[in-house]
Amino acid sequence: DAGVTQSPTHLIKTRGQQVTLRCSPKSGHDTVSWYQQALGQGPQFIFQYYEEEERQRGNFPDRFSGHQFPNYSSELNVNALLLGDSALYLCASSLLGAIYEQYFGPGTRLTVT
Amino acid sequence: QQQVKQSPQSLIVQKGGISIINCAYENTAFDYFPWYQQFPGKGPALLIAIRPDVSEKKEGRFTISFNKSAKQFSLHIMDSQPGDSATYFCAASTGAAGNKLTFGGGTRVLVKP
Repeated sequence: DAGVTQSPTHLIKTRGQQVTLRCSPKSGHDTVSWYQQALGQGPQFIFQYYEEEERQRGNFPDRFSGHQFPNYSSELNVNALLLGDSALYLCASSLLGAIYEQYFGPGTRLTVT
Repeated sequence: QQQVKQSPQSLIVQKGGISIINCAYENTAFDYFPWYQQFPGKGPALLIAIRPDVSEKKEGRFTISFNKSAKQFSLHIMDSQPGDSATYFCAASTGAAGNKLTFGGGTRVLVKP
C-alpha cells in the first residue's frame, strides 16, 4: 500500500519565479492538505482540498494556490517566489469520513535564491 | 498567534531514560491531539494521538497524558533508545475545522548510547 508521495524531492528557484509541487495521497484517501515547514519550526497549514475544491485556508497570501484532480492527487502552486518561501512543503492525506488521521508525505524542499 | 506551545525546544536523555515533552493549548475547541515524529529529511509520522475524553493513552513505550482543565498534554517516551532521536511535534485540531492541524514548535530529542 503506497503512502503519500510527493514530487520533486528538491527544487531550486529564483526570486520572482513560479513553482508547482505535486502530491499523490495515500490509497483510499480523498482529502489533501498542504503545509509549509520552515527550518526549525513546526508545519504551518496552507490549505485543504476535498472533491476538487478548497475547503479551508490558512494565513497564506493568494500567491499560494492549489488544485485537486479527480484521482485525488493535488498540486500546490506558488507565484512570485520570495526568499521567505524557502521551506519544506508537506502534503498530508486523510479520509473525510475518518477525518482525524492525517498521513504526511516526505515533502519537497524548495530553495529560493 | 501560536495556539500550541511546546517545551522544551531540545533535550538530551541517556539510553534507557525517560523523555518528557510538554504542550499547552489555548483553543478549547480542539478535540484531537496527535504527536508526530520527524527524522531529518522526512515528513512527520503519526506516533500516537488522544481525544480529550481520556486522561492517558499508552502505545508501547509512548504515553500521552492529557489534562483538560489545565489545557496541557505531554508525551512520555519510556526506555528511550538511540533510534528515538528525532524531532517531536505536538499538534491539535478540531473535527469542525476539517482536521486542520495546528503544530507546536517541536522538540529535538537526542538519546545518547
